[in-house]
Amino acid sequence: GDSVTQTEGPVTVSESESLIINCTYSATSIAYPNLFWYVRYPGEGLQLLLKVITAGQKGSSRGFEATYNKETTSFHLQKASVQESDSAVYYCALGLITGNTGKLIFGLGTTLQVQP
Amino acid sequence: AQTIHQWPVAEIKAVGSPLSLGCTIKGKSSPNLYWYWQATGGTLQQLFYSITVGQVESVVQLNLSASRPKDDQFILSTEKLLLSHSGFYLCAWRGQENSDYTFGSGTRLLVI
Repeated sequence: GDSVTQTEGPVTVSESESLIINCTYSATSIAYPNLFWYVRYPGEGLQLLLKVITAGQKGSSRGFEATYNKETTSFHLQKASVQESDSAVYYCALGLITGNTGKLIFGLGTTLQVQP
Repeated sequence: AQTIHQWPVAEIKAVGSPLSLGCTIKGKSSPNLYWYWQATGGTLQQLFYSITVGQVESVVQLNLSASRPKDDQFILSTEKLLLSHSGFYLCAWRGQENSDYTFGSGTRLLVI
């Protein structure tokens, strides 16, 4: 079936350190799914961080980047130097977008805690 | 600009009591609307979607129901809550076929 597996949290890093949150997916109902990273800051709703719809491409936003790797079915989230304000829950998601009735398949979410 | 508003922000309800959660989208006509839910320790999963007023499709059976009484309103409800209904509920909308989802701030529900 369609599923997403991501790094189990919480992940704790110090400010200015690098970060990688792993995400791998299985897509059986669609050959080329759209891939997303969403973020939920404390007390806020879910926000789109970045997305990539073409295999081999890289998406980036707010210093974060992720590359759509179809060979390894991965979409790892990376940042070279994290800030305390990056503390949040990060969700990798697979987009099964079939017209109006598409849906997102989410991973469990990874809580990131950045220590000052 | 489009806005999405969910209510209430949080609820504590007794088992067997009724529930109604709401979601309103402003600034967008005929949006596709969705309800997602995350149980504690679980993943976000789609519960319902609606592409037009009065039409709602169920994706996961959880003894919940949804309705779309107006173009800009999506309601999630049940007459009898179960402990397993606890979790985080998110409403979302999409516009045209390739547009992104926009999520509300969510409602945190605790059933005791």
